[in-house]
Amino acid sequence: AQSVAQPEDQVNVAEGNPLTVKCTYSVSGNPYLFWYVQYPNRGLQFLLKYITGDNLVKGSYGFEAEFNKSQTSFHLKKPSALVSDSALYFCAVRDNTGGFKTIFGAGTRLFVKA
Amino acid sequence: ETGVTQTPRHLVMGMTNKKSLKCEQHLGHNAMYWYKQSAKKPLELMFVYNFKEQTENNSVPSRFSPECPNSSHLFLHLHTLQPEDSALYLCASSGESSGNTIYFGEGSWLTVV
Repeated sequence: AQSVAQPEDQVNVAEGNPLTVKCTYSVSGNPYLFWYVQYPNRGLQFLLKYITGDNLVKGSYGFEAEFNKSQTSFHLKKPSALVSDSALYFCAVRDNTGGFKTIFGAGTRLFVKA
Repeated sequence: ETGVTQTPRHLVMGMTNKKSLKCEQHLGHNAMYWYKQSAKKPLELMFVYNFKEQTENNSVPSRFSPECPNSSHLFLHLHTLQPEDSALYLCASSGESSGNTIYFGEGSWLTVV
C-alpha cells in the first residue's frame, strides 16, 4: 500500500533563508511524487512533480524538490524564503501501475518570519 | 480560476437534511475525485471515478453517495450526516492532458449541526 510521511507538523524559517520541507514515501514500483500548497480557505495548488528523469525537479514560485530513491524521500526546497510562502504544504504519492489512487501526507505548515 | 469548480462553497445542514455537493471540471480530464479534509488529519481519499466508472471507494459510509453522470461532472449526495462529517470536501480531476497531475477545486466547507 502507498503511504506518505511528512515528519514535521511545522517548519519555521526567517525570510531570505533557505527552506526545506521533508517528505518520505512508500510505494510498490516506481513512484509519481507531487507537492501541493494550500493557502487559507483555498483548495490545493499544484507546485511540482517527479515522474522520471532528473532527480531535481523545478516547479512554481521558485520551489524545487529532490527525489532520492535510496532514501525514498522527496524533500521540497527553496533557496530564499518569502513571507508569502507561509502556507500548508502537502506531499503526495501515486504508483505507476495505472491506477488513480493518489495518497497525501498530513501536511506541513510553513511559517516564514520577516 | 482552477478549472475545477465546486458549489456551494459553504453549506450548513442539519443531521436529517439531504443536500448535494457539485463539482464540474473544464479541463478535459477523465478521472474525478472526492477528498475529505478535516482539521489535523491527512487528506482522505473518498471516491475516484474514471470515465464515469467508480474505481475507488475508500470504505466511505453510505450516508455519502457519489454520482458521476459524465467525465465533467461529479456529485456528492449527503444524507443523515453526523457532526463529525463537518469538513472541507475537495473535488479534483486528472487526465493524460495533465500528465496525471491532480488539479483541485476550491472546496466546499460543510458544517453539520
